[in-house]
Amino acid sequence: AQTVTQSQPEMSVQEAETVTLSCTYDTSENNYYLFWYKQPPSRQMILVIRQEAYKQQNATENRFSVNFQKAAKSFSLKISDSQLGDTAMYFCAFMKHVGGTSYGKLTFGQGTILTVHP
Amino acid sequence: DAGITQSPRHKVTETGTPVTLRCHQTENHRYMYWYRQDPGHGLRLIHYSYGVKDTDKGEVSDGYSVSRSKTEDFLLTLESATSSQTSVYFCAISAGPGGTEAFFGQGTRLTVV
Repeated sequence: AQTVTQSQPEMSVQEAETVTLSCTYDTSENNYYLFWYKQPPSRQMILVIRQEAYKQQNATENRFSVNFQKAAKSFSLKISDSQLGDTAMYFCAFMKHVGGTSYGKLTFGQGTILTVHP
Repeated sequence: DAGITQSPRHKVTETGTPVTLRCHQTENHRYMYWYRQDPGHGLRLIHYSYGVKDTDKGEVSDGYSVSRSKTEDFLLTLESATSSQTSVYFCAISAGPGGTEAFFGQGTRLTVV
């Protein structure tokens, strides 16, 4: 079974600054995917960024980037130029390679509440 | 939003009563999931479906059952609600490259009193 751990229950950052959210995971799988989801107060779950484990290059999406360290089983999210709209709960999630009986099931971390201050 | 609708959005029910939550999708996705969200636990998988009438248990399936008689509908039933089932419930589908991206409904806040 997989486990995902987010050790920072809460984080805060000033607008326009950079913040990094931490995530570690444990798995015996070699092929998998990692995700960061954002949940604003509206409760909607929004996919922020996706990383394939077989890719060494770190994924980036505009102001969002990850630092994927496969050997260390670490997957942190960096948010640059933080904006007030980034205030949300952020979840790290793991998915085994889809195929066989994995069926695209997600294992989530506990979440980190990020507050961006003006 | 990948065409996912959950109903109801909010519900308050009494302990011991049956409750059914509905997830409806409009884009013919094969895989559907029910998760519950609780503070300190993130989201946890309750049940999932990999086709019509094909379902299986997730991590926290005790006290829940599901049914999928049509591709578009995935129902979650609490046979006899308990206070420990007070939670926010999310339905999801798999889409994107190789079905490796999950898209979620708006969530249902269920309170069992």
